[in-house]
Amino acid sequence: GESVGLHLPTLSVQEGDNSIINCAYSNSASDYFIWYKQESGKGPQFIIDIRSNMDKRQGQRVTVLLNKTVKHLSLQIAATQPGDSAVYFCAEKYYGNNRLAFGKGNQVVVIP
Amino acid sequence: DTAVSQTPKYLVTQMGNDKSIKCEQNLGHDTMYWYKQDSKKFLKIMFSYNNKELIINETVPNRFSPKSPDKAHLNLHINSLELGDSAVYFCASSQEARAEAFFGQGTRLTVV
Repeated sequence: GESVGLHLPTLSVQEGDNSIINCAYSNSASDYFIWYKQESGKGPQFIIDIRSNMDKRQGQRVTVLLNKTVKHLSLQIAATQPGDSAVYFCAEKYYGNNRLAFGKGNQVVVIP
Repeated sequence: DTAVSQTPKYLVTQMGNDKSIKCEQNLGHDTMYWYKQDSKKFLKIMFSYNNKELIINETVPNRFSPKSPDKAHLNLHINSLELGDSAVYFCASSQEARAEAFFGQGTRLTVV
């Protein structure tokens, strides 16, 4: 299930199920939209990006969807594994000044 | 070899002190960043440098002064530390016009 409160929004998912993480962005001028994964005690790590002129991009077990009409970005993780437990951030990059700005994180907890 | 390295990893200091955090990247990237991550995991961009020049200076107190002696280094000096400066600070680098950024392991600053 998903919960939002004083802490990070948390998505609990059974191992092997698919996960969907959502993000609303604000800057329509961004050139790239990006997903990062942050494991406990580590820095954020790049997962996948999508150019602003695309609406879908697939990677290994991950798919990013971009809906510019409603300024919405999502990350789908197929067959979620325990190693996918982390905080996930969406980010936007604008080439004009190389500004890389992050959205709020979403905690994913994989239940074995 | 570590791509983006920050030192120190932990820093505990008293209010009013001045401290520096160092960052080095060996990726040959043009752009370097500093981010502050608070207790709610929000990643806030502080500064961005491109080829040793300051490009982005978000609303950050002027007690924070970045210095880039060359494009492989971006250090962060903080004067007159305050309790609210306690956070994890991340350095990152990216190639201009590329989406992917590489992050250091973070520096946990605790002001007492």
